[in-house]
Amino acid sequence: ETGVTQSPTHLIKTRGQQVTLRCSSQSGHNTVSWYQQALGQGPQFIFQYYREEENGRGNFPPRFSGLQFPNYSSELNVNALELDDSALYLCASSTPGQGPTEAFFGQGTRLTVV
Amino acid sequence: GQQVMQIPQYQHVQEGEDFTTYCNSSTTLSNIQWYKQRPGGHPVFLIQLVKSGEVKKQKRLTFQFGEAKKNSSLHITATQTTDVGTYFCASEAGAGNMLTFGGGTRLMVKP
Repeated sequence: ETGVTQSPTHLIKTRGQQVTLRCSSQSGHNTVSWYQQALGQGPQFIFQYYREEENGRGNFPPRFSGLQFPNYSSELNVNALELDDSALYLCASSTPGQGPTEAFFGQGTRLTVV
Repeated sequence: GQQVMQIPQYQHVQEGEDFTTYCNSSTTLSNIQWYKQRPGGHPVFLIQLVKSGEVKKQKRLTFQFGEAKKNSSLHITATQTTDVGTYFCASEAGAGNMLTFGGGTRLMVKP
């Protein structure tokens, strides 16, 4: 186990609704990244938070937003859900170092938009 | 932006056969990481390679980073049913561990 926990594990929402997904990072990790993984594809980087600030963003529209809290846990919010938002949402925690660092992934939240 | 392509998409092997997945980029990569995702699971870190021409081994797994740092491979010797899953390469784009993943190679092993 990585120590990264996500909730909920599964979720069904209706098109147009809003959703909030949560992630608790591994102890000692101050960086949380969110990824979207569509069925049969590799994870796509959404954004990253470092010390409560957005530290980088992938090619996702503004209706994807996030937060990081002082305890380094994080939320991913998606507004105006679309059918194509159905995917596995993964968060990964890490600690920046002087070189590339290993990402520890949570088990993911499976979002289905109907 | 940076893209990494992975081949093949799928591979069926008989237990005991070898398996290789390849990761290619048109641009020089600063590093490469490999992850394994079991069916229904999440990506689990296997290894990272940083140096040109680097080769690392983990039991039956051999990882290589090309001399030009534009390609990488993962080779599994004598596959077992426990090797089943999807293998992803990923590279860090920019600072702070923002990963660009390949599309993955799904390995299926027939007992």
